[in-house]
Amino acid sequence: GAVVSQHPSWVICKSGTSVKIECRSLDFQATTMFWYRQFPKQSLMLMATSNEGSKATYEQGVEKDKFLINHASLTLSTLTVTSAHPEDSSFYICSARYLRATGFGNQPQHFGDGTRLSIL
Amino acid sequence: SQKIEQNSEALNIQEGKTATLTCNYTNYSPAYLQWYRQDPGRGPVFLLLIRENEKEKRKERLKVTFDTTLKQSLFHITASQPADSATYLCALEKGYSSASKIIFGSGTRLSIRP
Repeated sequence: GAVVSQHPSWVICKSGTSVKIECRSLDFQATTMFWYRQFPKQSLMLMATSNEGSKATYEQGVEKDKFLINHASLTLSTLTVTSAHPEDSSFYICSARYLRATGFGNQPQHFGDGTRLSIL
Repeated sequence: SQKIEQNSEALNIQEGKTATLTCNYTNYSPAYLQWYRQDPGRGPVFLLLIRENEKEKRKERLKVTFDTTLKQSLFHITASQPADSATYLCALEKGYSSASKIIFGSGTRLSIRP
């Protein structure tokens, strides 16, 4: 269980193109999804927290007009990199989590397999 | 702000030995501490979660300890195998809600040689 699907897995496009990345929770409803960026041999850097039905919360230094996030349903969040430039080339990873229905304690994040974005 | 340090960038050990990875943090004590495994070109995979009031957690060949006094977690893999080779990430979570953020360490690249 707890499968998160991310699509596409690899994108190569020209500078100035907008790219949309989808993140789906396949077998559970995700109240919250997270978008991360990872550079080679570095850790995951949180870009934004996406909550279903409300605006995303962006981390400091992340341009919300550049990285548009939409979380229209409990199983789908999208990240659109608008007017992408070579410096936007990176590995983008989403994750999803849900609250435990009973008991206490939080749930781990379940990650997609990432999207390698290369802007020429 | 919270800072997380994982003991070494890379660790190379002989198959069959116990691998021990260290995670130190500098600021507030997190509500939860988690360990993930990440293979090249893939997203992280959750391994273990330990709460602030727990000292130790085990799962098959994995063991995690959590010392809030030392602000440290140790992650052990016993009877290590080449298939255990991967990058292991330590992650801290401060709060208790679904929107609580998780902060990741930079990871330790573990290599198990046959």
